[in-house]
Amino acid sequence: KNQVEQSPQSLIILEGKNCTLQCNYTVSPFSNLRWYKQDTGRGPVSLTIMTFSENTKSNGRYTATLDADTKQSSLHITASQLSDSASYICVVSARGGYNKLIFGAGTRLAVHP
Amino acid sequence: DAGVIQSPRHEVTEMGQEVTLRCKPISGHNSLFWYRQTMMRGLELLIYFNNNVPIDDSGMPEDRFSAKMPNASFSTLKIQPSEPRDSAVYFCASSLFLEYSTGASTEAFFGQGTRLTVV
Repeated sequence: KNQVEQSPQSLIILEGKNCTLQCNYTVSPFSNLRWYKQDTGRGPVSLTIMTFSENTKSNGRYTATLDADTKQSSLHITASQLSDSASYICVVSARGGYNKLIFGAGTRLAVHP
Repeated sequence: DAGVIQSPRHEVTEMGQEVTLRCKPISGHNSLFWYRQTMMRGLELLIYFNNNVPIDDSGMPEDRFSAKMPNASFSTLKIQPSEPRDSAVYFCASSLFLEYSTGASTEAFFGQGTRLTVV
């Protein structure tokens, strides 16, 4: 069964600190992996998208890594800001067929001053 | 482009009433998704369309739910009759599907969601 597991479920950090969120998946065959940020009361917004051949991608203070061999991805947030408080969702799509996105449950991040 | 547009933003209805949620995808996108989000279950795919054709509706909870996409610029999700357990935020998303053999697509853009409360 295609699944996406995220950890931790929730995280609290102080402003200015770094953090790393984890994503493990069993989706096969793999096509791409995306990280989305969802602010409270809003729809998810894409941060990064990585295909099989990419192992790192950055978007400002966000850096995503991908290890296709171990089927793991991480999202690293540097120098966190209060505005980083949101849910971060890992989404994987399978190779071949129509582009069905498989969502993880998300990590709820709270950045405190 | 204004992005994916959903209406209404909020809907409060009584149990048993019919509810219709609307979505306008991004122009040029050929894939449209309806999702439901709750605290307990996270984001769940209800149905997705490709080129206006329903491809996978296995996530539709039961016969009370139905979705249509009469043309490339409009889709509806209807619940009839509605029940309190249908209360959730319903998201519509669209993307451009590029290639069947690889499953390649552009990123999916989400609307702001419709918060449905059934009392």
